Amino acid sequence: GAVVSQHPSWVICKSGTSVKIECRSLDFQATTMFWYRQFPKQSLMLMATSNEGSKATYEQGVEKDKFLINHASLTLSTLTVTSAHPEDSSFYICSASAPPANEKLFFGSGTQLSVL
Amino acid sequence: DAKTTQPTSMDCAEGRAANLPCNHSTISGNEYVYWYRQIHSQGPQYIIHGLKNNETNEMASLIITEDRKSSTLILPHATLRDTAVYYCIVRFPVSNDYKLSFGAGTTVTVRA
Repeated sequence: GAVVSQHPSWVICKSGTSVKIECRSLDFQATTMFWYRQFPKQSLMLMATSNEGSKATYEQGVEKDKFLINHASLTLSTLTVTSAHPEDSSFYICSASAPPANEKLFFGSGTQLSVL
Repeated sequence: DAKTTQPTSMDCAEGRAANLPCNHSTISGNEYVYWYRQIHSQGPQYIIHGLKNNETNEMASLIITEDRKSSTLILPHATLRDTAVYYCIVRFPVSNDYKLSFGAGTTVTVRA
């Protein structure tokens, strides 16, 4: 199946700093990517839809100024957690649908963010 | 997208078939049934999807009832590596607003 690469796998940062997470589609072009967040022992929650060349669409309750999404190319979307705080500590996962039919979503391996 | 109901957890023996049920009584005519699984601390993995007919691939089989109100994912020979949370999701396969909404899923533990 199609491969989605996410980097870094884990990151520890100090409170108040910003962290960037990258999501790449390695063997296909993805016009749309999705960012999810998952807290321990909970299910995945969709944060936003990232569209190449346009502004991201955020789910209700997700602060767009807090979670900056950039989808500058057909193979790369980035999520920047700005001024991170301990409550932002979570598992962040990106995904993309692969052509030609875009029937399936392929997921990255996730990024564990720990804010001290 | 239609809501799904799955058991919270289930155990199965290594080497035996694992049958995972899912109820989706409000599914509409054009919605597909998708199954994903998530192994601990990893991103979800696509397993299989179907509309009406039963489907089989190298990972699993999907049995959908005639009225489409429920389905069963079958792992034919469960291994310890199949221990994961399994998510049943119903949605339209292709749309301009493609996204998946995950429920709580079924935590499957395969025991030796």
